[in-house]
Amino acid sequence: SSELTQDPAVSVALGQTVRITCQGDSLRSYYASWYQSKPGQAPVLVIYGKNNRPSGIPDRFSGSSSGNTASLTITGAQAEDEADYHCNSRDRSGNHLWVFGGGTKLTVL
Amino acid sequence: QVTLKESGPVLVKPKETLTLTCTVSGFSLSNTRLGVSWIRQPPGMALEWLANIFSSDQKSFSPSLRSRLAISRDSSKGQVVLSMTNVDPVDTATYFCARLQETWGGVFDLWGQGTIVTVSS
Repeated sequence: SSELTQDPAVSVALGQTVRITCQGDSLRSYYASWYQSKPGQAPVLVIYGKNNRPSGIPDRFSGSSSGNTASLTITGAQAEDEADYHCNSRDRSGNHLWVFGGGTKLTVL
Repeated sequence: QVTLKESGPVLVKPKETLTLTCTVSGFSLSNTRLGVSWIRQPPGMALEWLANIFSSDQKSFSPSLRSRLAISRDSSKGQVVLSMTNVDPVDTATYFCARLQETWGGVFDLWGQGTIVTVSS
């Protein structure tokens, strides 16, 4: 079982805002990173650290964190945002181990 | 351009050893603060981190799979190799390699396309 918990599925109307959450004890010590994955494609890093976007990621993606919960927010969701979103962080042990959440399937209606 | 590409067998028999190779370009495996990890995703299931190797040759493994995994690197060839012994059908998955940046606790900033491995007799 994953040490990071995500809702299995979330939906959002086109153009609306959606928040995807990730819960886990490790998030009290380490920032979450967020990855977008689509079938047959390499996962893509969309948010890391406090709220950082790699080059090329639209600014409608943002991240936040409070306590043991990290959130990925998409403001003005687009059809191309329909994908699986995975959170990950360093393991709460502090060793060089990493964990992933169960993933959230985002549907854009 | 930075890329990672996985290669290996498509089909492996139960109890055999699976060997996967990640070939990187656009960055050096000798670069400090960079590592390469292997991550897998069984069909319909979550991503699972398996192992990592840093430029210092420091290695780390998923506790649940530690006894079955080995990881090594050849900086001159730009390759990271993962071996998994005694495979089982539950090891059927897409296997990804990803570059790990040590900043912010560790971020997988670039991924390969993945290679699909089926374990079946």
